[in-house]
Amino acid sequence: ETGVTQSPTHLIKTRGQQVTLRCSSQSGHNTVSWYQQALGQGPQFIFQYYREEENGRGNFPPRFSGLQFPNYSSELNVNALELDDSALYLCASSPGPFLDYEQYFGPGTRLTVT
Amino acid sequence: EDQVTQSPEALRLQEGESSSLNCSYTVSGLRGLFWYRQDPGKGPEFLFTLYSAGEEKEKERLKATLTKKESFLHITAPKPEDSATYLCAVSPKDQTGANNLFFGTGTRLTVIP
Repeated sequence: ETGVTQSPTHLIKTRGQQVTLRCSSQSGHNTVSWYQQALGQGPQFIFQYYREEENGRGNFPPRFSGLQFPNYSSELNVNALELDDSALYLCASSPGPFLDYEQYFGPGTRLTVT
Repeated sequence: EDQVTQSPEALRLQEGESSSLNCSYTVSGLRGLFWYRQDPGKGPEFLFTLYSAGEEKEKERLKATLTKKESFLHITAPKPEDSATYLCAVSPKDQTGANNLFFGTGTRLTVIP
């Protein structure tokens, strides 16, 4: 059984650019959530996708958007990058969008915005 | 406003020296409280979910408890491999998305051999 994978591992972008981060869910999982973790902080919920539909969103502006594909893999897109977007972006998958399903986190993508 | 506060920020223990980590929370209504472990350079690893006051769960040297305002993670006779950052998170009832979790900043635990 393959765990949650994310690509790329590290990324450096310039302020104002756009970035796409990718996540492959664990086999059999139809729910993906994305989190932003700044250095020394806990993760912050960005949004959750269930069967290709967004079904929950945290306090992030619209320039953070996502997609989930029929194979349940997912993308996080961030437009007009700002310096404060520098963080570790974590993807987590679960067998369903319910609280009693354990989330499995990937290793994250470290984004640096200069 | 939903809020999670963890203490202490950092904790150093001798191997075998038991202790507790604290997570205080303020939410409009609690769907669940979670404990995760995070090793450097890795994503969080799920430990426990607690749903209601009085609930307790155990796993190896770890035991999590929940009251109406806080949760404790008790570590009994820790080993060096227990060294990690322990994160507490809550899922508030007034937020959309079951995985809409509010995390604390974590307690960084170091266990010295």
